Amino acid sequence: GAVVSQHPSRVICKSGTSVKIECRSLDFQATTMFWYRQFPKQSLMLMATSNEGSKATYEQGVEKDKFLINHASLTLSTLTVTSAHPEDSSFYICSARDRPGGGSTDTQYFGPGTRLTVL
Amino acid sequence: AQSVAQPEDQVNVAEGNPLTVKCTYSVSGNPYLFWYVQYPNRGLQFLLKYITGDNLVKGSYGFEAEFNKSQTSFHLKKPSALVSDSALYFCAVRDRAPGGYNKLIFGAGTRLAVHP
Repeated sequence: GAVVSQHPSRVICKSGTSVKIECRSLDFQATTMFWYRQFPKQSLMLMATSNEGSKATYEQGVEKDKFLINHASLTLSTLTVTSAHPEDSSFYICSARDRPGGGSTDTQYFGPGTRLTVL
Repeated sequence: AQSVAQPEDQVNVAEGNPLTVKCTYSVSGNPYLFWYVQYPNRGLQFLLKYITGDNLVKGSYGFEAEFNKSQTSFHLKKPSALVSDSALYFCAVRDRAPGGYNKLIFGAGTRLAVHP
C-alpha cells in the first residue's frame, strides 16, 4: 500500500525557534499533500493544502507566515513552524494523495505524525 | 458544506461480539465517504471508502461499512471484534474547497474499546 513518512517523529524546541517537519510519499507520487493539526482527544483540523510547484492554500484562521509550507517535489512537502510558542505544541500529521490519472484513488494516506513540544 | 457526525464518543464491545461505529453525513451531491483508524500517537490508517456502487463496502482488517442513502448513514461494522481493534475511529467526507481541490472533513472520532 501507499506509505507516507514524517520526520522527525518527536521534537522538543525552545520558544522562539523554528522547527521543520518533513513529509514524504515513499512509493507513489503525490501532487497534493495536506497538513493537519490534532489536539489531545480531538479530531484532525486541516491547516493547509499544498500542491507541487505552487503556493499552499491555507484554511481560514491559519497564519501563513507562521506555518510555512513548501512542496518542492512530488514526494516531499515540508512544514516549518516559525518562531514557535508553547501554544503551537501539538500533534502534526501530514497526508498525501496520489497523482490524478496515475491510478488515482482519491484517497489520502497519512504519515505517522510529529509530536511538537515547545518549551 | 459537507459534514459528518459521529454521535458516540466511545463504544464498548466484548471480544468476539459484533461491533458498530456510527456515522451520519450531510452532503450536497453524491457523497464520497471514508473510514480511518488511529492508534495512540500514530497517524491515520485508511480502512475503506464509498464512492459509488455496492452499498456494502469491504475494507481492511475485516471491517466493512454500509452506505444507506435514505438514512444518510455510513456505519462501520465488524462481525467479531478483537482486542487489537481498540483505537480511535474517524469517519470523513470529501469536500470541494473554493480553490477547486478536494479535502477531507473529519468527524469528531469514536473511541472503540474491546474488552477481553
